[in-house]
Parts: sequence; structure tokens; C-alpha cells
Amino acid sequence: SAVISQKPSRDICQRGTSLTIQCQVDSQVTMMFWYRQQPGQSLTLIATANQGSEATYESGFVIDKFPISRPNLTFSTLTVSNMSPEDSSIYLCSVGTVVLQQYFGPGTRLTVT
Amino acid sequence: AQSVTQLGSHVSVSEGALVLLRCNYSSSVPPYLFWYVQYPNQGLQLLLKYTSAATLVKGINGFEAEFKKSETSFHLTKPSAHMSDAAEYFCAVSDMNYGGSQGNLIFGKGTKLSVKP
Repeated sequence: SAVISQKPSRDICQRGTSLTIQCQVDSQVTMMFWYRQQPGQSLTLIATANQGSEATYESGFVIDKFPISRPNLTFSTLTVSNMSPEDSSIYLCSVGTVVLQQYFGPGTRLTVT
Repeated sequence: AQSVTQLGSHVSVSEGALVLLRCNYSSSVPPYLFWYVQYPNQGLQLLLKYTSAATLVKGINGFEAEFKKSETSFHLTKPSAHMSDAAEYFCAVSDMNYGGSQGNLIFGKGTKLSVKP
């Protein structure tokens, strides 16, 4: 298993600003994923982050809006840029360790006013 | 493209009653299927997974799910609900486009389970 922590756990931000969310894992993992869970909705994959390469973004998500860093095998950041109220969501990181098993962090609850 | 449909956004049962949460999937290839649980203000925890072995899968906390290919279903059940089971449950199917064992997960919209005393 993997233990994942995220910072901050929640934040309230003003429109037009940016927030960087950190994801820390207690073991080295190859693949990390960033998801968004909008209010009352399911999880949607934003991007996959592999160490040493650029993140792969899903349709509807772009690097300018959600830049991701993956400097090593235990850490990643997701930045939500130029925020609007529509960005109010829970952002979760997850890691894949063994075959077909992902572990999720506790999430970052973001409110944009 | 793969997709998951969870029937019922909210299910309410009495303590001790059967829990049945429904999940249907769409996939052009043999799927890998998962159930996750999310307790309030927490991340997702894997309950169980189907990876083309036994069709009846047992998970944690007394939950189990049966893969039925003919019905394209993967319903989650628990014989006797406990108050601590109150949470949101997500069914997911694995998208293997990333060419390996760590495929992307495609989630259903979730079912919130309430347990009445």
C-alpha cells in the first residue's frame, strides 16, 4: 500500500489567483494521477504525471490552466491557474503501485470566490 | 470508449438490511472493475476489484461484488448494513490506454449510502 498526503487540505481563493497543491507519497511510484471532483459529481482525470517526462493531459484540460510538476518519484504538484468559481472542486492525487490498484490522497477542497 | 453507470445517486437502508448498489459498465474489451468508498472529508479507499479471475469478488468490510458479463453489471452487496457503512461509493472501470498495469480509472457518478438506525 501507499500513504499519500496532500497540502493544503482546503483553501478559499479569490478569482484570478493561482493555487499549488502538493502530493507526497511515502514510497517511490512510477505513475501519479490528478483528478478533479466537482460538487455532486464523480471524479474526472486531469492528467497523468510520470517522473522525468511531461504530464499527459486528458481532453478538456490544458497545461496552461493546470501545470503539473513531478520532480521525483515521491512528489508532485498541481497548480490551478487564474481560478474562477467553476474551479471550485476537490482535487485528488492518486498513485499506481501494484497491478491495477490506485491509492488516493485525502484530497484538497478548493473554493473560489 | 469505456463508461460506468451507477443507478441511484442515493440509497437508504436500515441497519442490518441488505445493501445493494448497482453498477453497469460499457467496454469494448474485457474490463477491469473496481468499487471505491469515500468517507466524508477523506480520499477514496479501494473496496474490491475484478481482474478477470473469479466472478464473485470479496472485498473489505464484508462487501462483495459479482461480475456478470451477460448483464454488463458489477453490483456491490453487503448482507447486513452497519452504521459505519454510510459513505459514498464509486464504481470504476479501468482504461488500459496507457498500455500497462496502471491504467486510468473511469468513474461512475457515485451512490451515497445512508444507514438508518
